[in-house]
Amino acid sequence: ETGVTQTPRHLVMGMTNKKSLKCEQHLGHNAMYWYKQSAKKPLELMFVYNFKEQTENNSVPSRFSPECPNSSHLFLHLHTLQPEDSALYLCASSYTGELFFGEGSRLTVL
Amino acid sequence: GESVGLHLPTLSVQEGDNSIINCAYSNSASDYFIWYKQESGKGPQFIIDIRSNMDKRQGQRVTVLLNKTVKHLSLQIAATQPGDSAVYFCAASGRGYGNKLVFGAGTILRVKS
Repeated sequence: ETGVTQTPRHLVMGMTNKKSLKCEQHLGHNAMYWYKQSAKKPLELMFVYNFKEQTENNSVPSRFSPECPNSSHLFLHLHTLQPEDSALYLCASSYTGELFFGEGSRLTVL
Repeated sequence: GESVGLHLPTLSVQEGDNSIINCAYSNSASDYFIWYKQESGKGPQFIIDIRSNMDKRQGQRVTVLLNKTVKHLSLQIAATQPGDSAVYFCAASGRGYGNKLVFGAGTILRVKS
């Protein structure tokens, strides 16, 4: 138990579907992150939020839309995804330095 | 820019032996380094970190060594156990990067019983 909870753990969706990934942290951290993890590639930073404000968008396509209603919750809204978007999406939180990761949401786009 | 890479994609060791996983970084301004362990089906878990004002730090069965001269980082695992089988990532961040960590691709550690 890392204190960062992601749901759903697995998601299969078609290219025309709309779905959302949810992340919740119980650590009192001020920053939250979305990372994409593809096979044999380094973790790719997607978005960073500090105190609910987006501070980084790492050139992520608009079919990924993040939402951070408060410092404890982070969403990733998915729309019109492509098969190459299939990956493990990891949420993380931090106060300073060390990132605490959730277990990830395994996304498969058909 | 910042890039972090690993020398060996896969490392196989016998149970009980010591393991050494290596990592190279490119940004000489990097001042904070972390090792993460990721088991199958799980998210990365923090193992140990080190700041650039140190060259060695020890944890429980793990030691991280930092050589700033050659921009090299290593993770040593003593008496490797089957439960140590996982993918190990190094990550680095530098001054002005805030909490932005740059990750390496990972090394697979396989422990043979």
